[in-house]
Amino acid sequence: QQQVKQSPQSLIVQKGGISIINCAYENTAFDYFPWYQQFPGKGPALLIAIRPDVSEKKEGRFTISFNKSAKQFSLHIMDSQPGDSATYFCAASWGYGQNFVFGPGTRLSVLP
Amino acid sequence: KAGVTQTPRYLIKTRGQQVTLSCSPISGHRSVSWYQQTPGQGLQFLFEYFSETQRNKGNFPGRFSGRQFSNSRSEMNVSTLELGDSALYLCASSKGQFKDTQYFGPGTRLTVL
Repeated sequence: QQQVKQSPQSLIVQKGGISIINCAYENTAFDYFPWYQQFPGKGPALLIAIRPDVSEKKEGRFTISFNKSAKQFSLHIMDSQPGDSATYFCAASWGYGQNFVFGPGTRLSVLP
Repeated sequence: KAGVTQTPRYLIKTRGQQVTLSCSPISGHRSVSWYQQTPGQGLQFLFEYFSETQRNKGNFPGRFSGRQFSNSRSEMNVSTLELGDSALYLCASSKGQFKDTQYFGPGTRLTVL
């Protein structure tokens, strides 16, 4: 119930391509869904986040698509660049953001 | 504005010892959360403090404890270290009562020998 499932575990994309990472959850109490980007040796950094009252949010090359009925959300990275190579974590929280659950992460490699 | 700082960045300890890690949140942030990150288990929530009070606690044994000071700085302590405690320990701060936007520090890499 408290889990967030994330796929794929790893992803290789050519420069300029679209990277898509998917997450799914069970707990309908989740009300905040952020994505984090982590580079080696660094802490995770907030990339983009969405609430369940909208189906899509776009910030630059990054878009979150949210499907409340399917309890799924995904991150799309358009025009992927080698600098996007990092580990991406989806997360979900409830209770005014007091309880966070993270997905297991996706290691993205963008080939030049 | 300075980010979240964690000290030390690296620690090597032996089994049975105890360790204290420190976290200084972003100025003005009152909520501090701690996470353990390992290759096998990913990011796991340890506990969260707001205004010196522990609000939430993850599923970790009592050997893991923490506290928050009046200036919002936080420490976490692990007693009787085990090999499985080797991990990256991350601290995250957020501004107010709702920790929607968490800002992570670089972490403390703990190795238990």
